[in-house]
Amino acid sequence: QQQVKQSPQSLIVQKGGISIINCAYENTAFDYFPWYQQFPGKGPALLIAIRPDVSEKKEGRFTISFNKSAKQFSLHIMDSQPGDSATYFCAASVSGNTPLVFGKGTRLSVIA
Amino acid sequence: DGGITQSPKYLFRKEGQNVTLSCEQNLNHDAMYWYRQDPGQGLRLIYYSQIVNDFQKGDIAEGYSVSREKKESFPLTVTSAQKNPTAFYLCASSIGRRGRDNEQFFGPGTRLTVL
Repeated sequence: QQQVKQSPQSLIVQKGGISIINCAYENTAFDYFPWYQQFPGKGPALLIAIRPDVSEKKEGRFTISFNKSAKQFSLHIMDSQPGDSATYFCAASVSGNTPLVFGKGTRLSVIA
Repeated sequence: DGGITQSPKYLFRKEGQNVTLSCEQNLNHDAMYWYRQDPGQGLRLIYYSQIVNDFQKGDIAEGYSVSREKKESFPLTVTSAQKNPTAFYLCASSIGRRGRDNEQFFGPGTRLTVL
């Protein structure tokens, strides 16, 4: 019940295309859903996060879509660029001081 | 300049040795975490601490130990009991208060290699 399942494991997208990464969770107590971006050899950095009281959040080219009834959320990267090539992790937690539960990551490659 | 620092960046250990990885934060965060990252495995929680002088085991605590004597510091010791310690180790911190988003800030990581 603590798992967060992420797919796909890897993704190749043409420059200018839309990258879509999906996550699913079981624990209905989760109320904080962040996405992290990690470049090789670096620590992950928070990209965007959502709480379950909204169905969508957009920041620049990055959008989180959230479906509470299906217990799923996804990251959309519009107009994908080669600089977006990185590993992306979804996560979930009960807000406050409980640890994040991470998905296993998606390696995104954006090719020109 | 606020943030999380980890040292060293690279660490080499011989079989049977204990090694300690440093993690310091000046963000005034209450909660600190240690994760291990292996290819294709995502981030797995080793230990976490919500307040000074208290810490809890995560999913893969065996072969590791921690201390939290100061709010700013959360060192991780990889003991000789850890059978496969070669990995990328990440430290993180968050405000850690109920009702607040659990945004975790990560350090740059330490890559540990067993020779």
